Amino acid sequence: DTAVSQTPKYLVTQMGNDKSIKCEQNLGHDTMYWYKQDSKKFLKIMFSYNNKELIINETVPNRFSPKSPDKAHLNLHINSLELGDSAVYFCASSHYTGGGDQETQYFGPGTRLLVL
Amino acid sequence: DAKTTQPPSMDCAEGRAANLPCNHSTISGNEYVYWYRQIHSQGPQYIIHGLKNNETNEMASLIITEDRKSSTLILPHATLRDTAVYYCIVRAYNTDKLIFGTGTRLQVFP
Repeated sequence: DTAVSQTPKYLVTQMGNDKSIKCEQNLGHDTMYWYKQDSKKFLKIMFSYNNKELIINETVPNRFSPKSPDKAHLNLHINSLELGDSAVYFCASSHYTGGGDQETQYFGPGTRLLVL
Repeated sequence: DAKTTQPPSMDCAEGRAANLPCNHSTISGNEYVYWYRQIHSQGPQYIIHGLKNNETNEMASLIITEDRKSSTLILPHATLRDTAVYYCIVRAYNTDKLIFGTGTRLQVFP
Protein backbone atom coordinates (compact mmCIF):
# COMPACT_ATOMS: atom_id res chain seq x y z
CA ASP A 1 0.00 0.00 0.00
CA THR A 2 1.22 3.47 -0.87
CA ALA A 3 2.03 5.45 2.28
CA VAL A 4 1.71 8.95 0.82
CA SER A 5 -0.23 9.26 -2.43
CA GLN A 6 -0.91 12.21 -4.68
CA THR A 7 -3.35 12.79 -7.51
CA PRO A 8 -3.00 13.56 -10.28
CA LYS A 9 0.51 12.47 -11.18
CA TYR A 10 0.60 14.84 -14.15
CA LEU A 11 -1.39 18.02 -14.68
CA VAL A 12 -1.26 20.13 -17.83
CA THR A 13 -3.40 23.24 -17.85
CA GLN A 14 -3.76 26.71 -19.30
CA MET A 15 -2.72 29.96 -17.66
CA GLY A 16 -5.50 31.49 -15.61
CA ASN A 17 -7.17 28.21 -14.71
CA ASP A 18 -7.85 26.99 -11.16
CA LYS A 19 -6.65 23.51 -10.23
CA SER A 20 -6.35 21.27 -7.19
CA ILE A 21 -3.84 18.61 -6.21
CA LYS A 22 -4.82 16.01 -3.65
CA CYS A 23 -2.68 14.24 -1.07
CA GLU A 24 -3.54 11.36 1.21
CA GLN A 25 -1.44 9.49 3.77
CA ASN A 26 -2.28 6.20 5.47
CA LEU A 27 0.54 6.32 8.02
CA GLY A 28 -1.56 7.74 10.84
CA HIS A 29 0.56 10.88 10.86
CA ASP A 30 -0.75 14.15 12.21
CA THR A 31 1.38 16.57 10.21
CA MET A 32 1.35 17.06 6.44
CA TYR A 33 3.36 19.30 4.13
CA TRP A 34 3.52 20.70 0.63
CA TYR A 35 6.86 21.26 -1.10
CA LYS A 36 7.61 22.77 -4.51
CA GLN A 37 10.52 21.67 -6.71
CA ASP A 38 11.20 24.08 -9.54
CA SER A 39 12.95 23.52 -12.86
CA LYS A 40 16.34 24.07 -11.25
CA LYS A 41 15.53 21.23 -8.84
CA PHE A 42 15.41 23.42 -5.73
CA LEU A 43 13.04 21.84 -3.22
CA LYS A 44 11.27 24.30 -0.91
CA ILE A 45 8.64 23.90 1.74
CA MET A 46 5.40 25.79 1.15
CA PHE A 47 3.02 24.79 3.95
CA SER A 48 2.64 22.43 6.86
CA TYR A 49 -0.49 21.42 8.75
CA ASN A 50 -0.64 19.76 12.14
CA ASN A 51 -4.00 18.27 13.12
CA LYS A 52 -5.67 20.37 10.42
CA GLU A 53 -4.07 23.57 11.72
CA LEU A 54 -1.72 25.63 9.53
CA ILE A 55 1.75 25.66 11.12
CA ILE A 56 4.15 26.75 8.39
CA ASN A 57 3.20 29.21 5.68
CA GLU A 58 6.24 30.23 3.71
CA THR A 59 6.31 33.18 1.34
CA VAL A 60 3.84 31.74 -1.11
CA PRO A 61 1.38 33.77 -3.24
CA ASN A 62 -2.11 33.74 -1.79
CA ARG A 63 -3.28 32.09 -5.00
CA PHE A 64 -2.08 28.92 -3.27
CA SER A 65 -4.47 27.71 -0.60
CA PRO A 66 -3.98 24.45 1.29
CA LYS A 67 -7.02 22.70 2.68
CA SER A 68 -7.00 19.89 5.21
CA PRO A 69 -10.41 18.20 5.57
CA ASP A 70 -8.95 15.69 8.04
CA LYS A 71 -5.56 14.57 9.34
CA ALA A 72 -5.08 12.10 6.49
CA HIS A 73 -5.61 14.60 3.69
CA LEU A 74 -3.98 17.85 2.61
CA ASN A 75 -5.08 19.31 -0.70
CA LEU A 76 -3.50 22.20 -2.55
CA HIS A 77 -5.73 24.54 -4.52
CA ILE A 78 -4.13 26.99 -6.94
CA ASN A 79 -6.07 29.90 -8.40
CA SER A 80 -5.25 31.81 -11.57
CA LEU A 81 -2.37 29.59 -12.57
CA GLU A 82 0.74 31.31 -13.96
CA LEU A 83 3.60 30.02 -16.10
CA GLY A 84 5.92 30.21 -13.08
CA ASP A 85 3.77 27.74 -11.18
CA SER A 86 5.06 24.97 -13.42
CA ALA A 87 6.96 22.65 -11.09
CA VAL A 88 6.77 19.34 -9.28
CA TYR A 89 4.73 19.51 -6.09
CA PHE A 90 5.48 17.01 -3.35
CA CYS A 91 3.31 16.17 -0.40
CA ALA A 92 4.87 14.75 2.77
CA SER A 93 3.74 13.64 6.21
CA SER A 94 5.27 13.03 9.62
CA HIS A 95 4.36 12.39 13.24
CA TYR A 96 4.66 14.93 16.02
CA THR A 97 6.24 13.25 19.05
CA GLY A 98 5.88 16.12 21.51
CA GLY A 99 8.27 18.64 23.00
CA GLY A 100 8.66 20.27 19.64
CA ASP A 101 10.15 17.21 17.99
CA GLN A 102 8.91 15.86 14.71
CA GLU A 103 9.65 12.46 13.29
CA THR A 104 11.02 11.90 9.84
CA GLN A 105 9.04 13.04 6.83
CA TYR A 106 7.74 10.64 4.21
CA PHE A 107 7.22 12.05 0.74
CA GLY A 108 4.70 11.26 -1.96
CA PRO A 109 5.62 10.60 -5.60
CA GLY A 110 4.98 14.15 -6.73
CA THR A 111 2.57 15.93 -9.09
CA ARG A 112 4.10 17.38 -12.23
CA LEU A 113 2.29 20.59 -13.08
CA LEU A 114 2.79 22.24 -16.45
CA VAL A 115 1.11 25.57 -17.10
CA LEU A 116 0.87 26.56 -20.77
CA ASP B 1 18.89 29.20 3.18
CA ALA B 2 20.46 25.80 3.54
CA LYS B 3 23.01 25.58 6.34
CA THR B 4 25.04 22.84 4.68
CA THR B 5 27.65 22.61 1.94
CA GLN B 6 28.05 19.53 -0.24
CA PRO B 7 30.09 18.75 -3.35
CA PRO B 8 27.86 19.01 -6.43
CA SER B 9 28.70 15.57 -7.77
CA MET B 10 30.57 12.35 -7.03
CA ASP B 11 31.18 9.04 -8.76
CA CYS B 12 31.43 5.62 -7.19
CA ALA B 13 32.07 2.16 -8.60
CA GLU B 14 29.38 -0.43 -8.00
CA GLY B 15 30.15 -2.55 -4.94
CA ARG B 16 32.46 0.02 -3.42
CA ALA B 17 31.67 2.28 -0.49
CA ALA B 18 30.31 5.70 -1.31
CA ASN B 19 31.39 8.39 1.15
CA LEU B 20 29.41 11.61 0.82
CA PRO B 21 30.72 14.57 2.83
CA CYS B 22 28.73 17.44 4.26
CA ASN B 23 29.92 20.61 5.92
CA HIS B 24 27.67 22.23 8.54
CA SER B 25 30.10 24.49 10.38
CA THR B 26 27.37 26.73 11.86
CA ILE B 27 25.35 23.89 13.39
CA SER B 28 24.04 24.59 16.87
CA GLY B 29 23.60 22.28 19.83
CA ASN B 30 19.96 21.33 19.27
CA GLU B 31 20.21 20.74 15.55
CA TYR B 32 20.15 17.31 13.96
CA VAL B 33 21.85 16.22 10.76
CA TYR B 34 19.48 14.51 8.34
CA TRP B 35 20.17 12.79 5.05
CA TYR B 36 17.60 12.31 2.31
CA ARG B 37 18.00 11.23 -1.27
CA GLN B 38 15.98 11.78 -4.42
CA ILE B 39 16.10 9.19 -7.15
CA HIS B 40 15.32 10.59 -10.59
CA SER B 41 12.61 13.10 -9.59
CA GLN B 42 10.82 10.70 -7.26
CA GLY B 43 9.84 11.98 -3.84
CA PRO B 44 12.75 12.44 -1.44
CA GLN B 45 13.49 9.38 0.67
CA TYR B 46 14.71 9.49 4.24
CA ILE B 47 18.04 7.74 4.82
CA ILE B 48 19.33 8.45 8.31
CA HIS B 49 19.77 11.16 10.92
CA GLY B 50 21.91 11.86 13.97
CA LEU B 51 22.71 14.40 16.64
CA LYS B 52 26.16 13.65 18.07
CA ASN B 53 26.82 9.95 17.86
CA ASN B 54 27.50 7.92 14.77
CA GLU B 55 24.45 6.11 13.48
CA THR B 56 23.88 3.05 11.34
CA ASN B 57 20.78 1.54 9.82
CA GLU B 58 20.00 -0.89 7.03
CA MET B 59 20.64 1.74 4.37
CA ALA B 60 23.70 3.64 5.50
CA SER B 61 26.03 4.87 8.22
CA LEU B 62 26.36 8.44 9.41
CA ILE B 63 29.65 9.63 10.85
CA ILE B 64 29.54 12.99 12.65
CA THR B 65 32.79 14.65 13.67
CA GLU B 66 33.35 15.37 17.32
CA ASP B 67 32.93 19.11 16.83
CA ARG B 68 29.77 18.38 14.77
CA LYS B 69 30.88 20.74 12.03
CA SER B 70 30.87 18.07 9.36
CA SER B 71 29.53 14.62 8.67
CA THR B 72 29.87 11.80 6.16
CA LEU B 73 27.16 9.54 4.82
CA ILE B 74 28.50 6.10 3.97
CA LEU B 75 26.75 3.69 1.62
CA PRO B 76 28.84 0.58 2.33
CA HIS B 77 28.25 -1.28 -0.95
CA ALA B 78 26.87 1.09 -3.57
CA THR B 79 24.60 -0.32 -6.26
CA LEU B 80 23.35 1.22 -9.48
CA ARG B 81 20.04 1.90 -7.73
CA ASP B 82 21.84 4.23 -5.32
CA THR B 83 22.36 6.72 -8.13
CA ALA B 84 20.52 9.79 -6.84
CA VAL B 85 20.86 13.29 -5.44
CA TYR B 86 21.78 13.13 -1.75
CA TYR B 87 20.75 15.98 0.52
CA CYS B 88 22.36 16.78 3.85
CA ILE B 89 20.01 18.86 6.00
CA VAL B 90 20.37 20.47 9.39
CA ARG B 91 17.12 20.59 11.33
CA ALA B 92 16.45 22.20 14.68
CA TYR B 93 14.81 20.05 17.34
CA ASN B 94 11.79 22.29 17.66
CA THR B 95 10.91 22.72 14.03
CA ASP B 96 9.68 20.42 11.31
CA LYS B 97 11.01 22.59 8.52
CA LEU B 98 13.45 20.78 6.22
CA ILE B 99 15.58 23.19 4.19
CA PHE B 100 16.98 21.39 1.18
CA GLY B 101 20.20 22.61 -0.44
CA THR B 102 21.53 21.63 -3.84
CA GLY B 103 22.75 18.22 -2.68
CA THR B 104 25.35 15.88 -4.16
CA ARG B 105 24.55 14.00 -7.33
CA LEU B 106 26.00 10.50 -6.82
CA GLN B 107 26.57 8.46 -9.97
CA VAL B 108 27.24 4.78 -9.37
CA PHE B 109 28.84 3.14 -12.39
CA PRO B 110 29.25 -0.57 -13.25
